Amino acid sequence: DTGVSQNPRHKITKRGQNVTFRCDPISEHNRLYWYRQTLGQGPEFLTYFQNEAQLEKSRLLSDRFSAERPKGSFSTLEIQRTEQGDSAMYLCASSLAQGAGTEAFFGQGTRLTVV
Amino acid sequence: DQQVKQNSPSLSVQEGRISILNCDYTNSMFDYFLWYKKYPAEGPTFLISISSIKDKNEDGRFTVFLNKSAKHLSLHIVPSQPGDSAVYFCAASAKTGANNLFFGTGTRLTVIP
Repeated sequence: DTGVSQNPRHKITKRGQNVTFRCDPISEHNRLYWYRQTLGQGPEFLTYFQNEAQLEKSRLLSDRFSAERPKGSFSTLEIQRTEQGDSAMYLCASSLAQGAGTEAFFGQGTRLTVV
Repeated sequence: DQQVKQNSPSLSVQEGRISILNCDYTNSMFDYFLWYKKYPAEGPTFLISISSIKDKNEDGRFTVFLNKSAKHLSLHIVPSQPGDSAVYFCAASAKTGANNLFFGTGTRLTVIP
């Protein structure tokens, strides 16, 4: 396993279209996170899964966003009716279960551009 | 509400000298702190971390210092190398809840050969 993998790396879409991103975490990691990063900012937390359960969502995650992790392995993040403000880098990270000393490992991200 | 702050957007250092990157936080519930390094078009890469029960952690050329009373941490890179040029993010987490990371806005380090 070479780390967290995200697909696609880049996505350009027209406003109003739906997009879906995929994340494959490090195989033994049971926690999976989605973050969003915009220009000049650090990554901001969107949501996380413990195995297949989505346990927390940020207020940044509007109802146009939905995330799944059906079998506790890979995850998808879907954005419906995209808006220009959704343009950002979407980062996935995985880690072992909660506790001090738990580093999160990030994928290379999916850069979304809404035109 | 930015709970983790990096007030220096950029830093330039000569090769071989020390780089010091600073970070401040406001949430006293944070008990674990990390530094990530990011190259363009890549995700953040974990660099070094420190638990709140320590005040220093060293890994090769990288040392992180934590001053809990001041809610301040710093990353020292000695000696700095051109390959260290990147954006460095400070991050913090709390043991409870999602254990998600709160990031600063980053400091762009340029090491001049």
